[in-house]
Amino acid sequence: DSGVTQTPKHLITATGQRVTLRCSPRSGDLSVYWYQQSLDQGLQFLIHYYNGEERAKGNILERFSAQQFPDLHSELNLSSLELGDSALYFCASSAGGGITDTQYFGPGTRLTVL
Amino acid sequence: GQQLNQSPQSMFIQEGEDVSMNCTSSSIFNTWLWYKQDPGEGPVLLIALYKAGELTSNGRLTAQFGITRKDSFLNISASIPSDVGIYFCAGHPPVGGTSYGKLTFGQGTILTVHP
Repeated sequence: DSGVTQTPKHLITATGQRVTLRCSPRSGDLSVYWYQQSLDQGLQFLIHYYNGEERAKGNILERFSAQQFPDLHSELNLSSLELGDSALYFCASSAGGGITDTQYFGPGTRLTVL
Repeated sequence: GQQLNQSPQSMFIQEGEDVSMNCTSSSIFNTWLWYKQDPGEGPVLLIALYKAGELTSNGRLTAQFGITRKDSFLNISASIPSDVGIYFCAGHPPVGGTSYGKLTFGQGTILTVHP
């Protein structure tokens, strides 16, 4: 158990819908990262928040957005869903925001878009 | 963007055998990390490397940060059934580029260990 929690574990929805994925970082960690894992693209970095502020953006679609709240939990919002958005979405957290800070991954949310 | 080429894609070995996998890139990386992912779980960090030439061990695992900063390998000695899983290399591109701070992952090596 990494100490990072993600909800829900599974999500099944239809094309065009909007969903929200939630992540609670390890106690004391200030950074939250979001990743997408799909069969064709592998593990892709989406976005990084540190203490409520966006730090870095990766291959995140405009239909996707994220935020980190004052209590440090984070939400990833996916809208106008397409079949290709079906994937595992992982949240990771680290104490700081530097490259030497170990990222601890949550168990993931499996999103299926029908 | 930065890309990591990980090989082999999959390995089928007998319990007790040693395993070697590697990762290469056309550009340099500031860190090299090795993760393992079990089914239904998130990746777990095995070894982190921060300096070119660094050789680090974690139990039966050994990894090295290539001297050119463009490659890394992971060795597993005397494999056991619980070594089964997907192994990923990952790295951080250098400071100053547009990819700085964005952890980049290889495509993974699927390891199967036969008892």
